Amino acid sequence: DGGITQSPKYLFRKEGQNVTLSCEQNLNHDAMYWYRQDPGQGLRLIYYSQIVNDFQKGDIAEGYSVSREKKESFPLTVTSAQKNPTAFYLCASSRASGLGNEQFFGPGTRLTVL
Amino acid sequence: QKEVEQNSGPLSVPEGAIASLNCTYSDRVSQSFFWYRQYSGKSPELIMSIYSNGDKEDGRFTAQLNKASQYVSLLIRDSQPSDSATYLCAVSTAGSARQLTFGSGTQLTVLP
Repeated sequence: DGGITQSPKYLFRKEGQNVTLSCEQNLNHDAMYWYRQDPGQGLRLIYYSQIVNDFQKGDIAEGYSVSREKKESFPLTVTSAQKNPTAFYLCASSRASGLGNEQFFGPGTRLTVL
Repeated sequence: QKEVEQNSGPLSVPEGAIASLNCTYSDRVSQSFFWYRQYSGKSPELIMSIYSNGDKEDGRFTAQLNKASQYVSLLIRDSQPSDSATYLCAVSTAGSARQLTFGSGTQLTVLP
């Protein structure tokens, strides 16, 4: 059963803590993405990766870090430098070639700072 | 700055009516266009993609693209209460490393 999984579903962070959000896909997609969504707003790109061991900053990368050691996995770390991390975090993946860029999303992780 | 604009709504239509959702984009060289449906508290689900001018139909959904006017729309025929959700328009530009730019979404409510 192909798809994208994210864990945990809910995450609570104390001030000054780093937390890591997991994203795994078994769709054999080359490209993976992390987005942030705030209430009533669209999705904003944090980081993306088109191949293993390579990734680029999106529009709002400050305070976040990623790694891409395996094709299937693209974890996101929310560092203490991110001043307003409470949001809904969405991971997506897509094929790296072809006309379109149909991105498919995981179920998301809702992060709350206490 | 690439922009994708949507009317935030809320848009309310009676059950069985046609719902019309609109989206404009600023980057003239945009090539790929997508509509996602997002239920409250859930992640976006891809429902339509369109790449060339004209209409594309899939069941009760029709996507319409007019590149000259930089305009893409989604029509939902025979709207059902289960169609109540936020609809996100997304646009991809060739050479943009396959990034999507999302609009802020239109909230649709279908009234029984």
